[in-house]
Amino acid sequence: EIVLTQSPATLSLSPGERATLSCRASQSVSSYLAWYQQKPGQAPRLLIYDASNRATGIPARFSGSGSGTDFTLTISSLEPEDFAVYYCQQRSNWLRYTFGQGTKLEIK
Amino acid sequence: EVQLVESGGGLVQPGGSLRLSCAASGFTFSSYWMSWVRQAPGKGLEWVANIKQDGSEKYYVDSVKGRFTISRDNAKNSLYLQMNSLRAEDTAVYYCARVGYGLVAFDIWGQGTMVTVSS
Repeated sequence: EIVLTQSPATLSLSPGERATLSCRASQSVSSYLAWYQQKPGQAPRLLIYDASNRATGIPARFSGSGSGTDFTLTISSLEPEDFAVYYCQQRSNWLRYTFGQGTKLEIK
Repeated sequence: EVQLVESGGGLVQPGGSLRLSCAASGFTFSSYWMSWVRQAPGKGLEWVANIKQDGSEKYYVDSVKGRFTISRDNAKNSLYLQMNSLRAEDTAVYYCARVGYGLVAFDIWGQGTMVTVSS
């Protein structure tokens, strides 16, 4: 099973700052990686698929990069509504999926 | 509006059974792989199972193999999860999700239904 490790566990920043979240895979996942945002009491929302493509309706301040085992989600300038938990997720060749443990982005 | 609505959650005793349903609307349900994803209280996300458009392929996380069965009825635009031999560690919010973008990501999610396994 491919394990995804996200860092940091918690990130404390202020609105307007730049956020950089990391996701590392235990083996190569090519570009089969997605990022989600989840707010309390809500379902996750897809942000990025195929490592670097924004999903429909996602603001341009969200960007993804990486391939193989190392991936990054960047939020260029934090808005108040961006404070949430973020998960990365991969798809294996056998159509099984795993998620990282999450990064909580909190207001400093 | 594209929408997924889950139902069927509740309180069940260990060893019991429960059947979850997910009603899809606003898109051609029969054209998509579908999945169940769960989230234990205060924990992260865990993929549970997925099913091909015609039901001919199904995949499960190891922890539910032999106990859970995913199925679908394209005529009713509905997805199901039959859960048997439930354990305390199955307690979670269960989300129905559409698999999109070349089967890489879950692009549409329901609001979730809570399953509590406790005596």
